[in-house]
Amino acid sequence: GAGVSQSPSNKVTEKGKDVELRCDPISGHTALYWYRQSLGQGLEFLIYFQGNSAPDKSGLPSDRFSAERTGGSVSTLTIQRTQQEDSAVYLCASSLYGGDAGELFFGEGSRLTVL
Amino acid sequence: RKEVEQDPGPFNVPEGATVAFNCTYSNSASQSFFWYRQDCRKEPKLLMSVYSSGNEDGRFTAQLNRASQYISLLIRDSKLSDSATYLCVAKANSGYALNFGKGTSLLVTP
Repeated sequence: GAGVSQSPSNKVTEKGKDVELRCDPISGHTALYWYRQSLGQGLEFLIYFQGNSAPDKSGLPSDRFSAERTGGSVSTLTIQRTQQEDSAVYLCASSLYGGDAGELFFGEGSRLTVL
Repeated sequence: RKEVEQDPGPFNVPEGATVAFNCTYSNSASQSFFWYRQDCRKEPKLLMSVYSSGNEDGRFTAQLNRASQYISLLIRDSKLSDSATYLCVAKANSGYALNFGKGTSLLVTP
């Protein structure tokens, strides 16, 4: 299908290890978001990419989190020195224009468990 | 205080019932509002946008009250397939983040 693709779908890691989560947005979508959803919690905004503009990193919870988007397409979210509180579902979404468009198309998420 | 607050429920209603959810937003600069639906262990999907004039999509009606800073969703003639978590979303005029509420859980029973 032509939806947002995320990998891995599940990742179990040990505390202190680094993890990389990948997102392949819908072709042609210029805006890409990362959110995370912890058990019983709402979606927490992490970072936003729009075209070639500087990303909005205002939601990243600490400097252990970083993300990049190469060539305006695929994005990678990296978490260094993982902690147990990083356990969550990491959701990537893309939209055609971003801004007020409102319709975000989400991937199925990467479920991260930190032991 | 979270930017978007919702009653988590759960709302348990029989098939055919009418059910209404409300949510409140704290940022008066919010300009765009939406309802998303999230099925269990699935990704959220846009249900509908919310306009000041109110809008209707089949059995679903969304309303926005800017003065009171609340948004509502009304579901008429509930179906079993409406069982899901409904996420209220607000976007400020500046920045790009869509702020999601924690969601309201709906269970429609036979």
